[in-house]
Parts: sequence; structure tokens; C-alpha cells
Amino acid sequence: GAVVSQHPSWVICKSGTSVKIECRSLDFQATTMFWYRQFPKQSLMLMATSNEGSKATYEQGVEKDKFLINHASLTLSTLTVTSAHPEDSSFYICSALTGTGGSYEQYFGPGTRLTVT
Amino acid sequence: GESVGLHLPTLSVQEGDNSIINCAYSNSASDYFIWYKQESGKGPQFIIDIRSNMDKRQGQRVTVLLNKTVKHLSLQIAATQPGDSAVYFCAEKISGLWQGGKLIFGQGTELSVKP
Repeated sequence: GAVVSQHPSWVICKSGTSVKIECRSLDFQATTMFWYRQFPKQSLMLMATSNEGSKATYEQGVEKDKFLINHASLTLSTLTVTSAHPEDSSFYICSALTGTGGSYEQYFGPGTRLTVT
Repeated sequence: GESVGLHLPTLSVQEGDNSIINCAYSNSASDYFIWYKQESGKGPQFIIDIRSNMDKRQGQRVTVLLNKTVKHLSLQIAATQPGDSAVYFCAEKISGLWQGGKLIFGQGTELSVKP
């Protein structure tokens, strides 16, 4: 089956620093990837849609200058949390879309736990 | 619909019993729905999906029911096992084609199976 990986699986950083999270589709190409964040005991909230070779589309309320998304290839999207603060501590999950015609499937990565101290 | 700020409801069942997890969705135009299972510290795992032109779909030990009239989705798990303990989310696909579409996750339910 299709596999999506994330790196790192967890990261601790100091307030004010930036952190980059990678999302890779290992055995398929994905023109579209999605980034979600999830706080403890809550649902996944879509942050942005990342399309290869174009600018990401951010959901309402998500700061595009704070959460930089780059989808430079068909197998890699990155999310950079800039000037991180403790309130950015969360579980970040990516997913990758694959398929053609009217049939698509979305595969999720294992998530990245970010803790900002 | 969106569930930011809400905490997960819980369902506790005895091993071997059937479980029913419910979900209300928000958009009457949604045409595709998916149930995911999420174990602690992991990403969501696909369980079963259903298109809006169906009202029932069965998989292995799982059944999804869709009631478009009241915008309600349910997941039935037969003979629940301890390994089924997890958080279950429904998700609806908004906006037609995948290229312009996105998944919106429901609130989620934490299922706890007692041996």
C-alpha cells in the first residue's frame, strides 16, 4: 500500500526558533498534500493544501507567514514553523493524495510531535 | 463539521459486544465520507468509506451507514476487540473533485474496549 513518512517524528525546540517538518510519499507521486494540526484530545484541523509547483492554499485563520509550506517535488512537502512559540506545540500530520480520474485516496503520515519550550 | 475546541466523547464497550460510533456532518453537498481510526501518537488509518449515492457499505467487521436526510454517519464495529481501542473520526470531503476538494474531520469518539 501507499506509504507516507514524516520526519522528524518528534522535535523539541526553543521559543523563537524555526522548525522544518518533512512529508514524503515513499512509493507514489502526490501532486497534492495536506497539512493538519491536532491538539490533545481534539480532532484534526486542516491547515493548508499543498500543490506541487504552486503556492499552498491556507485555511482561514492559519498564518501563511508563520507556517511556510513548500511542495518542491511530487514526493516531498515541507512545513516550516517559523518563530515558534509554546502555543505552536501540537501534533502535525500530513497526508498525500493519489489517484486519477474520479478515484482518489488520501494517505496519512504518522505525524510529528512538536514541543516548543 | 469543524470541531476545534471540543473534547472527545468516549464510548466504553465490553470485548465481544458491537460498537456504534456516530457522527454528524455539516455540508449537505459533501459527496464522500470516510471513517478513520487513530491510535495514540499515530496518524489516522483508513477504515472504510462511502459515497453519497449509497446508504450502507460493509467491510470486514465494520459497517458504515449514511443518512443524508439528517446528515448523519455511523460506524458499526462487530465483535469489538481490545485492538479496536482508539479514537475514531469521520471525515467529509468538501467541494466535489479531489483537486479542489479537502477533508474536514468530525469531532471524533474515543472507543475503549474492556477485556
